[in-house]
Amino acid sequence: QVQLVESGGGLVKPGGSLRLSCAASGFTFSDYYMSWIRQAPGKGLEWVSYISSSGSTIYYADSVKGRFTISRDNAKNSLYLQMNSLRAEDTAVYYCARDIEMIPSGYFQHWGQGTLVTVSS
Amino acid sequence: EIVLTQSPATLSLSPGERATLSCRASQSVSSYLAWYQQKPGQAPRLLIYDASNRATGIPARFSGSGSGTDFTLTISSLEPEDFAVYYCQQRSNWPRFTFGPGTKVDIK
Repeated sequence: QVQLVESGGGLVKPGGSLRLSCAASGFTFSDYYMSWIRQAPGKGLEWVSYISSSGSTIYYADSVKGRFTISRDNAKNSLYLQMNSLRAEDTAVYYCARDIEMIPSGYFQHWGQGTLVTVSS
Repeated sequence: EIVLTQSPATLSLSPGERATLSCRASQSVSSYLAWYQQKPGQAPRLLIYDASNRATGIPARFSGSGSGTDFTLTISSLEPEDFAVYYCQQRSNWPRFTFGPGTKVDIK
């Protein structure tokens, strides 16, 4: 079955960097658009970034544009999020998520368990 | 940005009762709206997409309706496992996907 496993979260100081990874299995990774979505502690959900199946098309939320970089390695069935210039407001659980179908839908059917990023001095 | 507003913030009901949750968009999203369920410590689960289509494996007691700016998620008869937080999400303003603030359904 579809499995998404995030890793790479942790405690980082403001201004620091972190790279998140998401290992995918149970489906043909290279066929699907993928996203990163985050949730601050006790808060709602915020879409962060979206990458096409080939990696050629990428979108970012305004709140992270210029600081975060999404990428993927289809040979390794992996999704990444490079986060630079981190701020306290980036503190959240970061989920990777897969679209509901192979054509880009903007609906997220499969989610990982999330990885916690804490930005604090 | 399309802002989604959900009401009520909290809904206190008993098992077996009907739950009606509302989501309102700041501008029309056509039928491009989804509903998710999230339990404490878990990732969200897609319930409904395109306003009224149940996702794979979702029980028939969950139904969605609406179009334009007003949407409803109905749980016909609450099961103990349905007490959770529910979020709506729009994909109309591609790719500026936004979520509502959530409605918590708790046990009365």
